[in-house]
Amino acid sequence: DAGVIQSPRHEVTEMGQEVTLRCKPISGHNSLFWYRQTMMRGLELLIYFNNNVPIDDSGMPEDRFSAKMPNASFSTLKIQPSEPRDSAVYFCASSLAGAGKAFFGQGTRLTVV
Amino acid sequence: GDSVTQMEGPVTLSEEAFLTINCTYTATGYPSLFWYVQYPGEGLQLLLKATKADDKGSNKGFEATYRKETTSFHLEKGSVQVSDSAVYFCALSQTGANSKLTFGKGITLSVRP
Repeated sequence: DAGVIQSPRHEVTEMGQEVTLRCKPISGHNSLFWYRQTMMRGLELLIYFNNNVPIDDSGMPEDRFSAKMPNASFSTLKIQPSEPRDSAVYFCASSLAGAGKAFFGQGTRLTVV
Repeated sequence: GDSVTQMEGPVTLSEEAFLTINCTYTATGYPSLFWYVQYPGEGLQLLLKATKADDKGSNKGFEATYRKETTSFHLEKGSVQVSDSAVYFCALSQTGANSKLTFGKGITLSVRP
């Protein structure tokens, strides 16, 4: 299996632009997580899905952030409009529900200038 | 809610030194406990885990024992190598279909030749 695949690996965008991050979980996994990592705040859980349904989005910082999972093999995290403080590495992870351990993608490094 | 507390970092050691990274947790019931490692430029990957009290997880020379009485899961390695330089995260997960991983802030380990 190729593991969790995220795209793009790097994104540089101007403030105010829309940004879409993509994730393909491991086939057969039914839980998907979006995390944000910064030096100041460490690793933060933004939202997670079970069987394509959002379970907890309390970590989504603002209405500018939205996430979707239209099917079991694809999820997006969108920021609109983007701001410089959104600059971070965004990770997607997947797991079997209830299994505990998760498998992480390599992350998307977002820079908003 | 559940939480994980890791010792403050960063930690710098010489090659072949003994390593201890402290981790304590606050949680209801009997969560599973994990150590994840993040190498530079990569996503997190599972290092080891323990699912019940007194279990010892081990991998690549690292060990951690699930101590219910002290709510701890300290990571140890008898002789570190330069290749162990990375960020280490302690985490817990409750059982159940909608479980999620709760991470500590992570600690950076640098090993000098």
